[in-house]
Amino acid sequence: GQNIDQPTEMTATEGAIVQINCTYQTSGFNGLFWYQQHAGEAPTFLSYNVLDGLEEKGRFSSFLSRSKGYSYLLLKELQMKDSASYLCAPNRDDKIIFGKGTRLHILP
Amino acid sequence: ETGVTQTPRHLVMGMTNKKSLKCEQHLGHNAMYWYKQSAKKPLELMFVYNFKEQTENNSVPSRFSPECPNSSHLFLHLHTLQPEDSALYLCASSQAEGESTEAFFGQGTRLTVV
Repeated sequence: GQNIDQPTEMTATEGAIVQINCTYQTSGFNGLFWYQQHAGEAPTFLSYNVLDGLEEKGRFSSFLSRSKGYSYLLLKELQMKDSASYLCAPNRDDKIIFGKGTRLHILP
Repeated sequence: ETGVTQTPRHLVMGMTNKKSLKCEQHLGHNAMYWYKQSAKKPLELMFVYNFKEQTENNSVPSRFSPECPNSSHLFLHLHTLQPEDSALYLCASSQAEGESTEAFFGQGTRLTVV
């Protein structure tokens, strides 16, 4: 199966930290992508985790646990421009399958 | 600019019309994808082409017909669509051999069926 579960919406304050969780069940799993999508725009790549552990890239970090079928995206020092949808996307047999996304609202 | 270009950006068509969406990638990738994004729904994978061969048809109705003449171009031919087919259609490309890299998306075609 390809069930991908992430919260529908989250709200955080500018300057704070937020963690977006994702659980998945997928066969042929090769790795997991996180994408950012602003309203009306195409998704843009944030991170790709293949091995277990934490990958840090500036203000954004992504974590993967293959055995638990679990990942999270951590956003630090939130800025207003971070208001967007964040898409968890397992890579199944070289096909990228997207979850419904988490709409993140940033309050000033 | 992601290296993936889609045309047109917006399209309004009647249910009896025939139209085509075009996607072109300048990244040297060997895999191309069509996704559909309806309001309040996740991105839905429609078709996958690896090395110009269709490797996935995700139970898409036959009124959508893909064509991949070479590894740089991908088309989606549309005919006798329904209003519920109105959505954002996104094309993406990636290098799909061995360890995958990320998919790069075009800006999409906003399709409205009237």
